[in-house]
Amino acid sequence: GQQLNQSPQSMFIQEGEDVSMNCTSSSIFNTWLWYKQEPGEGPVLLIALYKAGELTSNGRLTAQFGITRKDSFLNISASIPSDVGIYFCAGQLGGSQGNLIFGKGTKLSVKP
Amino acid sequence: KAGVTQTPRYLIKTRGQQVTLSCSPISGHRSVSWYQQTPGQGLQFLFEYFSETQRNKGNFPGRFSGRQFSNSRSEMNVSTLELGDSALYLCASSRRASNEQFFGPGTRLTVL
Repeated sequence: GQQLNQSPQSMFIQEGEDVSMNCTSSSIFNTWLWYKQEPGEGPVLLIALYKAGELTSNGRLTAQFGITRKDSFLNISASIPSDVGIYFCAGQLGGSQGNLIFGKGTKLSVKP
Repeated sequence: KAGVTQTPRYLIKTRGQQVTLSCSPISGHRSVSWYQQTPGQGLQFLFEYFSETQRNKGNFPGRFSGRQFSNSRSEMNVSTLELGDSALYLCASSRRASNEQFFGPGTRLTVL
């Protein structure tokens, strides 16, 4: 089945630093989504990408849909302590296969 | 606008029992998907319902079943529970099938 390779698995950074994480796949996706999950909660949608090459921002977060449609990255600029959590990428094939295929997540820790 | 709600939030069952979990989607959303989240396997797709019909199904045994009602609310059922069924079960709704999905807080199921 389809798999998403998300890296890095974890990051320990200092407050104020920029963060970058990415996902790659052998499959082509119609949509890439980025979620953040905090303990005891469900994933919260951060950014949705629909077109190859699309670059979208949400505050300090920026994500891009790779040209090949097989990858995506998420950047967080000037990190703050509340950025702590697990970030997941998810690819969606579309059509009759609308389910999300998730990466394993990137656990972000921010030191004040 | 109220988000996705799931009940109950926590559940403890013993092996061999069955369980029913409930999900109320965001108002106006007609598609509901279910996911299982475990530390080892991450987030895995169970099934997707749209307009009371199952559109898509993941690779889970037949003990896992679901349904959707005319008001778009959905339930999933797990029969003959096994220890390995202990997980966070997440429901996500979207306006249409294959559209961006919004998650509820999940139901934490523990099987003893």
